[in-house]
Amino acid sequence: EPEVTQTPSHQVTQMGQEVILRCVPISNHLYFYWYRQILGQKVEFLVSFYNNEISEKSEIFDDQFSVERPDGSNFTLKIRSTKLEDSAMYFCASSPEQGNYGYTFGSGTRLTVV
Amino acid sequence: SQQGEEDPQALSIQEGENATMNCSYKTSINNLQWYRQNSGRGLVHLILIRSNEREKHSGRLRVTLDTSKKSSSLLITASRAADTASYFCATDAEGKLIFGQGTTLQVKP
Repeated sequence: EPEVTQTPSHQVTQMGQEVILRCVPISNHLYFYWYRQILGQKVEFLVSFYNNEISEKSEIFDDQFSVERPDGSNFTLKIRSTKLEDSAMYFCASSPEQGNYGYTFGSGTRLTVV
Repeated sequence: SQQGEEDPQALSIQEGENATMNCSYKTSINNLQWYRQNSGRGLVHLILIRSNEREKHSGRLRVTLDTSKKSSSLLITASRAADTASYFCATDAEGKLIFGQGTTLQVKP
């Protein structure tokens, strides 16, 4: 069964450093998403991406965050200057279309900012 | 804001028993989805029910949706120890999923 692949599985970074989280969505999916889950809290929407542009973003997704689909297969989330409160599990997801299908989530990247 | 809120927050049952989890939300939706999350792992899509549907089955799962009450329930029948996980409802509208806090289910062998 097709999978969404995320790398790395765990990243530790110093506060203020830039991190890039990588995702390979399912190849024939058109919609891509990033979500995060702070330990013990609910899964929160960050951003959705379609047709090579952001279609929606949440209040969390401020100027420190950016997304990119550089080569038609990878989908990346960049955090420019990490803060302690960015420590969370980050999930990438994809879906073939909106409204009729569930999302396929990756296994996540656990980001720890120290 | 639109939110899915589940209850109970935690549920502990014996293997073979049924487990029922409920979800409430606040605004109009296109569909409502249920996901499972094993500890420290990703979210696995279980079932999707559209706003014009009232009930849906998938294996041992039964989902109901009452749009007038803005609520849904997930029933897992004949539970197994492997069903131990957190279960989340998520409402789909405006092109994104909004997740609830989840129900932690423990199935004792």
